[in-house]
Amino acid sequence: DARVTQTPRHKVTEMGQEVTMRCQPILGHNTVFWYRQTMMQGLELLAYFRNRAPLDDSGMPKDRFSAEMPDATLATLKIQPSEPRDSAVYFCASGLPTNLYEQYFGPGTRLTVT
Amino acid sequence: EDKVVQSPLSLVVHEGDTVTLNCSYEVTNFRSLLWYKQEKKAPTFLFMLTSSGIEKKSGRLSSILDKKELFSILNITATQTGDSAIYLCAVEASGGSNYKLTFGKGTLLTVNP
Repeated sequence: DARVTQTPRHKVTEMGQEVTMRCQPILGHNTVFWYRQTMMQGLELLAYFRNRAPLDDSGMPKDRFSAEMPDATLATLKIQPSEPRDSAVYFCASGLPTNLYEQYFGPGTRLTVT
Repeated sequence: EDKVVQSPLSLVVHEGDTVTLNCSYEVTNFRSLLWYKQEKKAPTFLFMLTSSGIEKKSGRLSSILDKKELFSILNITATQTGDSAIYLCAVEASGGSNYKLTFGKGTLLTVNP
């Protein structure tokens, strides 16, 4: 049963600390998405990659957020420095370019910045 | 700026009721409208709609798109407690090689036994 995995599942950190979230897409999926979900804003697309190359990260605050795919089995989202307003659930999803809408979401990382 | 608005924000019904969830949108370079169901964790894909007037159906769920009036509805008949979830509408737009997906805030559906 192929699944997207994300680590950590929960993270509590203090303001100013660096946070790194990791995602392992489903094997064979070459498109990876990062989303953020909050009660106020709902689900927002932050960035997406195809074949490990970033195609669009216009939804991501550039000054503190960065997303990378060091290899086909790992995507990372980093926040440095973190702020309380970054508290949210961060989802990673993967899919195939022929069916971008049928994305498979990971379980999410719940980030709390105090 | 692209916009997706869902209504109602929340809805409480009894098992067996039929519900209609609404999604209206304003986007540039529309490609498709998507419906997702989000239970306790991550969203799962339900439907993709690209053409007006063609109903997509899966069991008790169905959806239709009106590209002239810029909205879609999601119907659930004979609701069950397992249908309780947040239903998300998203609109896919294109801009060159970029891919843009804008989500609504969702409708929280609660089905009581």
